[in-house]
Amino acid sequence: GDSVTQMEGPVTLSEEAFLTINCTYTATGYPSLFWYVQYPGEGLQLLLKATKADDKGSNKGFEATYRKETTSFHLEKGSVQVSDSAVYFCALIGGSNYKLTFGKGTLLTVNP
Amino acid sequence: KAGVTQTPRYLIKTRGQQVTLSCSPISGHRSVSWYQQTPGQGLQFLFEYFSETQRNKGNFPGRFSGRQFSNSRSEMNVSTLELGDSALYLCASSLVGLPQETQYFGPGTRLLVL
Repeated sequence: GDSVTQMEGPVTLSEEAFLTINCTYTATGYPSLFWYVQYPGEGLQLLLKATKADDKGSNKGFEATYRKETTSFHLEKGSVQVSDSAVYFCALIGGSNYKLTFGKGTLLTVNP
Repeated sequence: KAGVTQTPRYLIKTRGQQVTLSCSPISGHRSVSWYQQTPGQGLQFLFEYFSETQRNKGNFPGRFSGRQFSNSRSEMNVSTLELGDSALYLCASSLVGLPQETQYFGPGTRLLVL
């Protein structure tokens, strides 16, 4: 079945540091890939997505590229802010099963 | 456009009781999915509905059930509650549930079973 593996953290960075959160996946066919973010006490918000190989999703300074050859979708940001502190989830939808499969989530804390 | 709304936001129940959670999707969205979030298991898919039909179901016992109404609103029901059912239950909606669509999540219902 489909699965997503992401570094679980926690990750602690200083403001303006570079961020990478690794995500790899296993899926049949050609899945769509997503990064969601969850702030304390809230639901999930879509951060970015990519629906085919070599697509780059980007939003709020975050980027991730759909790499089919390495089955990866790593999240990067060049300069993190305190307000980026949250839990980040990598996810996929494969084929026509209508369900998101999530990684375990990565807690990011950014210190001033 | 209003987002996905879920009611109630918080619930406290005791073991053996049953509970019904409600989800109103974004206007025009016809696909509604439910997820359970716990610290130990993370985010797990419960089921997905489209046009009042369940199209997929996750690996949960039959105590977990759901339905969708003609206006796309959805409810999920958990009968004979167990302590392990304590979780954040998230609802998500999308236009028709295609893989390339974005699923928009509500704030969740936090259920505590005592």
